[in-house]
Amino acid sequence: GEDVEQSLFLSVREGDSSVINCTYTDSSSTYLYWYKQEPGAGLQLLTYIFSNMDMKQDQRLTVLLNKKDKHLSLRIADTQTGDSAIYFCAEGNYGGSQGNLIFGKGTKLSVKP
Amino acid sequence: DGGITQSPKYLFRKEGQNVTLSCEQNLNHDAMYWYRQDPGQGLRLIYYSQIVNDFQKGDIAEGYSVSREKKESFPLTVTSAQKNPTAFYLCASSISGLIGRGREETQYFGPGTRLLVL
Repeated sequence: GEDVEQSLFLSVREGDSSVINCTYTDSSSTYLYWYKQEPGAGLQLLTYIFSNMDMKQDQRLTVLLNKKDKHLSLRIADTQTGDSAIYFCAEGNYGGSQGNLIFGKGTKLSVKP
Repeated sequence: DGGITQSPKYLFRKEGQNVTLSCEQNLNHDAMYWYRQDPGQGLRLIYYSQIVNDFQKGDIAEGYSVSREKKESFPLTVTSAQKNPTAFYLCASSISGLIGRGREETQYFGPGTRLLVL
């Protein structure tokens, strides 16, 4: 079945780059998304990439997609303490019967000053 | 401001009691979703509705019920049959149920309700 895998924890120092990785299994995924969840809050859409793209950059965020290996990554440049949160990868399949996103379990990013 | 609201922020349930979580959106979205979040488990889909007066079970629907009488509202009832209801509940909506067409078709989330058992 469909599955999205992420490592559970990542710790970086303030000012360094963070790279959060995700693998997915559904080769027919049309879009892949990154969401951010701060403590006690809902999920906030950060960015997304269409499956025919390799890279997308949005200010400090860079998304890389390797469709052959079904690997997605989110790079946060100049990581700040405010970036500490849980980051979820999700895949979406256009035309899927349920029309739902499949989420990974989330990567908790801790930024040390 | 357009958005999704959930209430209450915290909810306490006694043994054998049914409780209802509210979710309202003013984004004019057709589709709405309920997820349950447990630590280290990610998000699990409980129910979803792609249109008014219609809804479908997700992966963990047992012990829950929903209704969709209005486009703006998708309340979730946690029944006494749900033996382990303590969790963080997230409501989401999307323009339509055709997820994956792009940012506009992705899901937007409310702030969540934390349910605790007394």
